[in-house]
Amino acid sequence: ELKVEQNPLFLSMQEGKNYTIYCNYSTTSDRLYWYRQDPGKSLESLFVLLSNGAVKQEGRLMASLDTKARLSTLHITAAVHDLSATYFCAVLYNFNKFYFGSGTKLNVKP
Amino acid sequence: EPEVTQTPSHQVTQMGQEVILRCVPISNHLYFYWYRQILGQKVEFLVSFYNNEISEKSEIFDDQFSVERPDGSNFTLKIRSTKLEDSAMYFCASRQQEAKNIQYFGAGTRLSVL
Repeated sequence: ELKVEQNPLFLSMQEGKNYTIYCNYSTTSDRLYWYRQDPGKSLESLFVLLSNGAVKQEGRLMASLDTKARLSTLHITAAVHDLSATYFCAVLYNFNKFYFGSGTKLNVKP
Repeated sequence: EPEVTQTPSHQVTQMGQEVILRCVPISNHLYFYWYRQILGQKVEFLVSFYNNEISEKSEIFDDQFSVERPDGSNFTLKIRSTKLEDSAMYFCASRQQEAKNIQYFGAGTRLSVL
């Protein structure tokens, strides 16, 4: 079974600071997804990374994928309170099966 | 914007009862999914469905679970004999054919088994 590990699991940071969330996975895959989940809400797709070296940016969030290291990162630049949420990475395996990481609960303090 | 619709939003049932959770995926999507999220935990893949059949399923998706697309628009998850540990949020998702396409998630059904 493919394992997906995220760290940290909890992240408390001040507004304006930068930080990175890491997502490691155990089996070859070149499809990685990042999602955001607000408390009590559904999942919102943030990024789809489809190849080695892929980098995507949206606002203060930037995601990258290194398939050789089996690592994806979600970098937060100059965090703002509105980014407080839980962030999940998910790996697509065997064409149509998704494995999710445990999630990183981000709290940005004003 | 098109969205995935799930009903009911909250289902309460007695242990041992059957429940059916309903989803209406986005109309031009071809892949359909069910996920489970126990409170405060990660999202767990249950099953994917393509071309009117299951394409992948997880170890969680045992004989008490089944999925159906009865009429070309609805996508249902049936749990035959619910257990206390089935209490969770169940999310339906759908996406278009290409892997680059994102999954759109429904708002979820909270299942409470008493």
